[in-house]
Amino acid sequence: QKEVEQDPGPLSVPEGAIVSLNCTYSNSAFQYFMWYRQYSRKGPELLMYTYSSGNKEDGRFTAQVDKSSKYISLFIRDSQPSDSATYLCAMTGAAGNKLTFGGGTRVLVKP
Amino acid sequence: NAGVTQTPKFRVLKTGQSMTLLCAQDMNHEYMYWYRQDPGMGLRLIHYSVGEGTTAKGEVPDGYNVSRLKKQNFLLGLESAAPSQTSVYFCASSYTGRSNQPQHFGDGTRLSIL
Repeated sequence: QKEVEQDPGPLSVPEGAIVSLNCTYSNSAFQYFMWYRQYSRKGPELLMYTYSSGNKEDGRFTAQVDKSSKYISLFIRDSQPSDSATYLCAMTGAAGNKLTFGGGTRVLVKP
Repeated sequence: NAGVTQTPKFRVLKTGQSMTLLCAQDMNHEYMYWYRQDPGMGLRLIHYSVGEGTTAKGEVPDGYNVSRLKKQNFLLGLESAAPSQTSVYFCASSYTGRSNQPQHFGDGTRLSIL
């Protein structure tokens, strides 16, 4: 079983809808949680970074971490066609330099 | 503003051939990483470096070697390519290894081994 599980999708939504993405993990040592966005034929780029449990908001993006359930989420409000991409969750423990990635969820926002 | 540059972008090899993938970063980052990305598997760490002249094994190091002779460059070598090494390879760098320092990725090298 993978340490980090993520539904591969694709997740198709109409423009303006809320996109809801999530990952579950099994390693209780993970403390730092990230979401990366990856456009086709491009490298991942960091979207959100969260330490421990709680919520973090940045513009249209909200990241949530529930360490008790080992569950993290990313919400995209007012989704745009330009949000169509693959979203990867990643996490690491106190050492920090080794990220464990989920498999990614492909999102399609239709105009 | 190049960031992380990977060469080549595409390559097709025959089983048993060797090749070297080059990663260059212009951000003066100490840490550099090589990942492979396979469908549904996310990114898996092959090797990484915490500074010039250092290398360390990641999650899937077998069949690969690396070198970091200069701070800005990190080379990934395949000595005898196998079809199982068909993948997209990403290089990344970060200023330090601390968790709050984001990793910056290149755009990948697509490698097919026949």
